[in-house]
Amino acid sequence: EPEVTQTPSHQVTQMGQEVILRCVPISNHLYFYWYRQILGQKVEFLVSFYNNEISEKSEIFDDQFSVERPDGSNFTLKIRSTKLEDSAMYFCASRVSFSYNSPLHFGNGTRLTVT
Amino acid sequence: AQSVAQPEDQVNVAEGNPLTVKCTYSVSGNPYLFWYVQYPNRGLQFLLKYITGDNLVKGSYGFEAEFNKSQTSFHLKKPSALVSDSALYFCAVRDTTNNAGNMLTFGGGTRLMVKP
Repeated sequence: EPEVTQTPSHQVTQMGQEVILRCVPISNHLYFYWYRQILGQKVEFLVSFYNNEISEKSEIFDDQFSVERPDGSNFTLKIRSTKLEDSAMYFCASRVSFSYNSPLHFGNGTRLTVT
Repeated sequence: AQSVAQPEDQVNVAEGNPLTVKCTYSVSGNPYLFWYVQYPNRGLQFLLKYITGDNLVKGSYGFEAEFNKSQTSFHLKKPSALVSDSALYFCAVRDTTNNAGNMLTFGGGTRLMVKP
């Protein structure tokens, strides 16, 4: 069964550094998402992406964050200058259609640790 | 705005007994409701969804959930729990009104512990 894959599984970076989290969504999916989960807290929506542009973003997704689909397969989340509070598990997700009832398929996540 | 509440941080049940994980939601329009399960160091896996029709929906691994519009609830159930069901369970909702966007809003999660 096709899966969403995320790399790396764990990223450690120093405060102020830039990080890029990478995702390969399921190949025939059209909608892409980033969510994050701070340890012990709920899963929070960051951004959704369709047709090569952001369709929605949350308050968390400020100017330090950006997303890109550089080619036909990858979907990346960049944090320009990481802060301690960016430490979290970041999940990429995709879904196949515009229909609201199609479920999201999540990757296994990238654990980002900012020191 | 849409929101989801999972009132129990943890549910403990003995293997073989029925389990219920509670979820209530709030949306402006009609809801699409989902349950996801998260095993340690893994992403969220889709279990089941309610879109329309029969209020009782069946999903993966023997799980089912009952949509109750009057109580705005979507509790997850299983008739006989297995130790391997122990995981973190998330309820999620998407509002179907035109201006609600396409994002899922998740509850805080409930840890299910099934003991032998």
